[in-house]
Amino acid sequence: GAGVSQTPSNKVTEKGKYVELRCDPISGHTALYWYRQSLGQGPEFLIYFQGTGAADDSGLPNDRFFAVRPEGSVSTLKIQRTERGDSAVYLCASSLGSGGYEQYFGPGTRLTVT
Amino acid sequence: AQSVTQPDIHITVSEGASLELRCNYSYGATPYLFWYVQSPGQGLQLLLKYFSGDTLVQGIKGFEAEFKRSQSSFNLRKPSVHWSDAAEYFCAVGDSGGSNYKLTFGKGTLLTVNP
Repeated sequence: GAGVSQTPSNKVTEKGKYVELRCDPISGHTALYWYRQSLGQGPEFLIYFQGTGAADDSGLPNDRFFAVRPEGSVSTLKIQRTERGDSAVYLCASSLGSGGYEQYFGPGTRLTVT
Repeated sequence: AQSVTQPDIHITVSEGASLELRCNYSYGATPYLFWYVQSPGQGLQLLLKYFSGDTLVQGIKGFEAEFKRSQSSFNLRKPSVHWSDAAEYFCAVGDSGGSNYKLTFGKGTLLTVNP
C-alpha cells in the first residue's frame, strides 16, 4: 500500500517568506508526527497529533511554527517569517496509534531558506 | 530528559565483514529502543525495536540488537554486511511512560561498505 507522502520534496524560499509543508499519512493511521532533521543531526520531535488535535506541540521551536490536521488525516506544517536557521529536512511520520506503535516515515521535505 | 549517544559518526567495513554499531542512552527507567535506517532519498525505515522481554531482538535484513541495561546500551549487529547496507543508521529512544509517542534520536552513524 501507499506509504507516507510529503510535498513538496524540495522547497527553496527567501528569508521572511511563509511556507507550508504537506504530509499525507498512511490511510487509517490516527497518530501523526512532525520531526525536523538538520544537517548532521538525527530527527528532532516537533509535534504529535492524535486525530485532529495536537496532543503535544512541545517541540515546536517558537511561535513562527504551527501545524494543523483539520480532518484527522492530512497535516500541514506552517512556518511564518522563515529564517535561514529553519533550513532542514522536515519529516512526517504516522502510526496506527501511539505508545510503541511503529512510526512510518515519509521521505521528507528539504527546506532551504536563502 | 532522555538522550541517545551514537559514538561513531562514520564506520567503514568490507563487504562480508561483521558489523556492530554502538548506541548508548540515558533514561530513568527501561525505555523503548529502536534502530532505524535511512538511505539517500528514502524515509527512515524501522529495523527493529525493543520494549521488554528477551534482550536480544531480531530485525529485518538480518540485523539484531542486544539491550544491556547495566551498560545502558542497545548495539546493532549484523554478521555479514552486504553492499546494500550502506546507509545512515539511527538509534532512538522512546519514553515508556506518559510521552510514549515521542522519539529521541541519536546523531546517526554513516556506514560505508567497501567491495
